[in-house]
Amino acid sequence: AQRVTQPEKLLSVFKGAPVELKCNYSYSGSPELFWYVQYSRQRLQLLLRHISRESIKGFTADLNKGETSFHLKKPFAQEEDSAMYYCALSGRGGGSQGNLIFGKGTKLSVKP
Amino acid sequence: GAGVSQSPRYKVAKRGQDVALRCDPISGHVSLFWYQQALGQGPEFLTYFQNEAQLDKSGLPSDRFFAERPEGSVSTLKIQRTQQEDSAVYLCASSLGSRGAYTYEQYFGPGTRLTVT
Repeated sequence: AQRVTQPEKLLSVFKGAPVELKCNYSYSGSPELFWYVQYSRQRLQLLLRHISRESIKGFTADLNKGETSFHLKKPFAQEEDSAMYYCALSGRGGGSQGNLIFGKGTKLSVKP
Repeated sequence: GAGVSQSPRYKVAKRGQDVALRCDPISGHVSLFWYQQALGQGPEFLTYFQNEAQLDKSGLPSDRFFAERPEGSVSTLKIQRTQQEDSAVYLCASSLGSRGAYTYEQYFGPGTRLTVT
């Protein structure tokens, strides 16, 4: 079964503390993994994708195929990081149409 | 240019009514997706268009749901005889599609919040 699991509904940290949002997936094939973010009163937007191997707004995520995980990390959280974060996957390859399978999301709250 | 737009932003329908939700994708985007997001859940895939062709409608929950994109641009999601379980945010996303193994980023609209009373 194709599935994305985000075990934490809510994660609360203090400003300057490290943050890790967990994501595990189940997919028969070679998926591409994404993190999407939704700030308050804004639309869903792409934060990063594993094939880009970029650091966006200080966030990084490494695909661990052995553990089927794609955890999102940031060493020092900022108040403006408070948002809803969704992990998602899609199939790769010429036959994939790119539709996304999302987790239920984790709400990150960064306290001052 | 402008991003993906959706209208109406909010819709209240009485059970049994038909509703139509509109999506204006980014100009030039060949791929268009509809997702349904229930309260407290992540978005769930409904259907996919490549230009005017509906290539996947496997996520549509029942035959009361119908989507079209007749000219390969604007898309409409229609729900007939609405039920309370249809209450959700309906998201539209568009992208440039894919090239080989690379799929282009999906850009999401603000969503339409449907409440069925």
